[in-house]
Amino acid sequence: AQSVTQLGSHVSVSEGALVLLRCNYSSSVPPYLFWYVQYPNQGLQLLLKYTSAATLVKGINGFEAEFKKSETSFHLTKPSAHMSDAAEYFCAVTPNFGNEKLTFGTGTRLTIIP
Amino acid sequence: GAGVSQSPSNKVTEKGKDVELRCDPISGHTALYWYRQRLGQGLEFLIYFQGNSAPDKSGLPSDRFSAERTGESVSTLTIQRTQQEDSAVYLCASSLGLWSGELFFGEGSRLTVL
Repeated sequence: AQSVTQLGSHVSVSEGALVLLRCNYSSSVPPYLFWYVQYPNQGLQLLLKYTSAATLVKGINGFEAEFKKSETSFHLTKPSAHMSDAAEYFCAVTPNFGNEKLTFGTGTRLTIIP
Repeated sequence: GAGVSQSPSNKVTEKGKDVELRCDPISGHTALYWYRQRLGQGLEFLIYFQGNSAPDKSGLPSDRFSAERTGESVSTLTIQRTQQEDSAVYLCASSLGLWSGELFFGEGSRLTVL
């Protein structure tokens, strides 16, 4: 069975600093990986996804993530944090194409320090 | 509205009572999902509807939980004889069912069982 682990339930960064949110996966087959974001008082929305094409994936709002098979990781980064990035971020995995039953991590709450 | 709508947004009930949670998916979305999020935990898959196919009920935690969907429209999640451990946010999501990996989530229904 596939799973994801998000290291750090809370991350704080200064405005303008690098954002790094960690996600490691466990899967017996090549996975498909996703990052979702939940802004305050809103539903989760897709930030970006990896589906075995390019290993570096670009998403909305300047975020990107790199699939590293050797490290079983799919960390989310943004070069310069903005106050509007404050939200909860969820990593998710599904084992194969055509399976939309995503398995989510526990989430990381990102706080931006002015 | 244009998004996934869930009701009620908050529900407080007494142990042993039955509750119904409602989800209105985005029009035209054939796939509908229910997830549960307990405090400090990730999203836990409950059930998945896709068109006229038999639903995937593999995530329902007990026979006290059931869900229905009428065609490709509204879904109701019913919890019978609620227990305190049922306290959680119940999230509904819908998608086009074409496997884009993009689920559109509602804001959730927060259930508190006293």
